[in-house]
Amino acid sequence: DTAVSQTPKYLVTQMGNDKSIKCEQNLGHDTMYWYKQDSKKFLKIMFSYNNKELIINETVPNRFSPKSPDKAHLNLHINSLELGDSAVYFCASSQKQGGNTEAFFGQGTRLTVV
Amino acid sequence: KNQVEQSPQSLIILEGKNCTLQCNYTVSPFSNLRWYKQDTGRGPVSLTIMTFSENTKSNGRYTATLDADTKQSSLHITASQLSDSASYICVVIASGGSYIPTFGRGTSLIVHP
Repeated sequence: DTAVSQTPKYLVTQMGNDKSIKCEQNLGHDTMYWYKQDSKKFLKIMFSYNNKELIINETVPNRFSPKSPDKAHLNLHINSLELGDSAVYFCASSQKQGGNTEAFFGQGTRLTVV
Repeated sequence: KNQVEQSPQSLIILEGKNCTLQCNYTVSPFSNLRWYKQDTGRGPVSLTIMTFSENTKSNGRYTATLDADTKQSSLHITASQLSDSASYICVVIASGGSYIPTFGRGTSLIVHP
């Protein structure tokens, strides 16, 4: 039983296309996140949602739009994809926002823009 | 600017040996510090979470230390196993509102038989 699951695992697409990555967690957590890991393995937070409300939006281009239909899902839609968007995108969840709550990560979605 | 620096960048050790990874940070105000293990092609998995008042925390063969005065942390791995080969990432969470994490670039550990 996967705790945080992302689909697809791999995504190859052409520049200019629009794509979505889906994320679901079955842990009953209130908070979900999207992270980007670049080619140098450097992780950076993109968004955080708490109970479907946007909490963190870290200087991400507005081509990236997260959508949280319910607190178990946080999808990431990317418009007009660019070469620099190629990276591994990780979804994560935690019981609540902040503090010492542990974050659980999905397996990642490797996005390649050609 | 909040930063997390890890050293060494990479490390190769023989199975059964111990090793220590370092993390220095400038994140302020400080909430907590985490060590994650990331296997190739997988998401990070939490090893330890330490708050300001905690100096040492263990998780099996992993022991993390924190010196909040000097803003340094270390992760000590005892009796290394082949399965310890992974990237180890230090993350410092800032307090005050959004709890934004700052990630180090990780230490890549390879354990050889």
